[in-house]
Amino acid sequence: GIQVEQSPPDLILQEGANSTLRCNFSDSVNNLQWFHQNPWGQLINLFYIPSGTKQNGRLSATTVATERYSLLYISSSQTTDSGVYFCAIDNYGQNFVFGPGTRLSVLP
Amino acid sequence: EPEVTQTPSHQVTQMGQEVILRCVPISNHLYFYWYRQILGQKVEFLVSFYNNEISEKSEIFDDQFSVERPDGSNFTLKIRSTKLEDSAMYFCASGDPSYEQYFGPGTRLTVT
Repeated sequence: GIQVEQSPPDLILQEGANSTLRCNFSDSVNNLQWFHQNPWGQLINLFYIPSGTKQNGRLSATTVATERYSLLYISSSQTTDSGVYFCAIDNYGQNFVFGPGTRLSVLP
Repeated sequence: EPEVTQTPSHQVTQMGQEVILRCVPISNHLYFYWYRQILGQKVEFLVSFYNNEISEKSEIFDDQFSVERPDGSNFTLKIRSTKLEDSAMYFCASGDPSYEQYFGPGTRLTVT
């Protein structure tokens, strides 16, 4: 099945810094989504982005499907951005394969 | 904005007991899913459901698990005889025709 890797596994930032999280995948995709898991365990849907670029406030994401990667950009990070960021891939099986996540800690 | 809801938020049960986790998907969605996340690990797919039947299931989804959409709105996951290793967060998701998935807040299951 499809393999999903995320880097870095852990990231510590000072408030106000920018960051880039990466998701690599091993096969073509039908769907790719980025999620933020908050400290209460909830999965918050950030982007539905099987290809192209999207922006939502301080967050943006780019997926280059032909090169099998996606990037999540966080600008001017805030302490509330802390948590685990997952990318999830559906390669036409209709169910998601989740990456292992990037744990982000934003320090005040 | 419509959202997926799950009840209960936290369930504690004794080993060997049956549990039913409930989900109300977004009303015009056609695809329904259950995932689980053992503490500290990544989210794993359990089962997908479409047109009133299972469309795909993982190797985790053995005979102890079953799903049902009893009344056209609720979507349930039943575990017949819980084991300690079933302790996890269980997420329900529903999908629109573009396959974008919307996740519920999760049910934390603790088996003692």
